[in-house]
Amino acid sequence: QKEVEQDPGPLSVPEGAIVSLNCTYSNSAFQYFMWYRQYSRKGPELLMYTYSSGNKEDGRFTAQVDKSSKYISLFIRDSQPSDSATYLCAMSALGNFNKFYFGSGTKLNVKP
Amino acid sequence: GAVVSQHPSWVICKSGTSVKIECRSLDFQATTMFWYRQFPKQSLMLMATSNEGSKATYEQGVEKDKFLINHASLTLSTLTVTSAHPEDSSFYICSASDYSEDTQYFGPGTRLTVL
Repeated sequence: QKEVEQDPGPLSVPEGAIVSLNCTYSNSAFQYFMWYRQYSRKGPELLMYTYSSGNKEDGRFTAQVDKSSKYISLFIRDSQPSDSATYLCAMSALGNFNKFYFGSGTKLNVKP
Repeated sequence: GAVVSQHPSWVICKSGTSVKIECRSLDFQATTMFWYRQFPKQSLMLMATSNEGSKATYEQGVEKDKFLINHASLTLSTLTVTSAHPEDSSFYICSASDYSEDTQYFGPGTRLTVL
């Protein structure tokens, strides 16, 4: 079983839709949760970073962490064609910040 | 925000030659740098972790004699692919973090094609 599971998609939505991207994990020691956006042939760009459980909002993006269910989500409101990219979740454990576990990435396509 | 650069952005080389890729943190001191490899439509695979002034720690299955990593300063790490072969063709991405951060900032990646 992989440490982090993420549906690879592709996920295709119309412009303006609310997008929900999710990851599940198995290691209860994970405390730090990140979402990265990666455009084709580019390096990942950090979008959201949360510690432990709860919600965090930044503009059109909201990250949610449910540690009891070992489930994290990224919501994108009013999605735009420029949001079309692959979204990677990543997580690490307390005291081992530098060891990241990545999901396989979900490819999102926002149609104009 | 933290910026990490990589050079070159792409390189094509002949089989048997060596290729050096540079990773620089532009606006912060990177106590730790990471090298990843990414195959098409797959996630990032960590190759090695390096701390400034120390030898790199390689992940299982990564040949340290083939992928030479040097982290000579707090802003520069290099990955040298020695005696490259077509199967080494991939997208190589570095990332960096400093002692106060709990996350990593990624470079734009280097696409290596070995003919």
